[in-house]
Amino acid sequence: EAQVTQNPRYLITVTGKKLTVTCSQNMNHEYMSWYRQDPGLGLRQIYYSMNVEVTDKGDVPEGYKVSRKEKRNFPLILESPSPNQTSLYFCASSLSSRGRTYEQYFGPGTRLTVT
Amino acid sequence: DAKTTQPPSMDCAEGRAANLPCNHSTISGNEYVYWYRQIHSQGPQYIIHGLKNNETNEMASLIITEDRKSSTLILPHATLRDTAVYYCIVNDGTPLVFGKGTRLSVIA
Repeated sequence: EAQVTQNPRYLITVTGKKLTVTCSQNMNHEYMSWYRQDPGLGLRQIYYSMNVEVTDKGDVPEGYKVSRKEKRNFPLILESPSPNQTSLYFCASSLSSRGRTYEQYFGPGTRLTVT
Repeated sequence: DAKTTQPPSMDCAEGRAANLPCNHSTISGNEYVYWYRQIHSQGPQYIIHGLKNNETNEMASLIITEDRKSSTLILPHATLRDTAVYYCIVNDGTPLVFGKGTRLSVIA
């Protein structure tokens, strides 16, 4: 089944403790992206990647890191999480050709709480 | 900023057609109109997209006006499971920008 998977689905952690949220897709998509969703602010893009070893900042990249060493994986790293990173996180992927992306497929979400 | 305007909420009776409008008066020639929906806190789900012609798939129909300044997503026979936030996005292939969408409530 074609899908985007994220792990963990739920995470409660403390300020400053490094964490990684994994994202994997089995559709051979070039493009992958991370979003966060907060009440009243909607979905905002954190980072995206047009292909392996190519990553770019989205609208709200501060406090996050990403890497794209393999086509199928796009982990989101919080080196020193803070309470304002408490949010619902979504990973997405899509085909990409000549710099253009197509319909995106989203993962189920990761609900992160930082205390 | 999102380049689209949608009503914040709409109701629809179960079994009736749901018509969700979207204004995108500044759309440029190479931008597509995409529709996604998000059911509760699940990941957004792609519905349909189009450039200038009307489009139909197993989920919905998309009607784009001739001047491309507005469009309508049609769910032909809405069910309770179609209750969701619907996002209309104009996109030229660069990263998506989500607005606030329309909260559709399907009522039994």
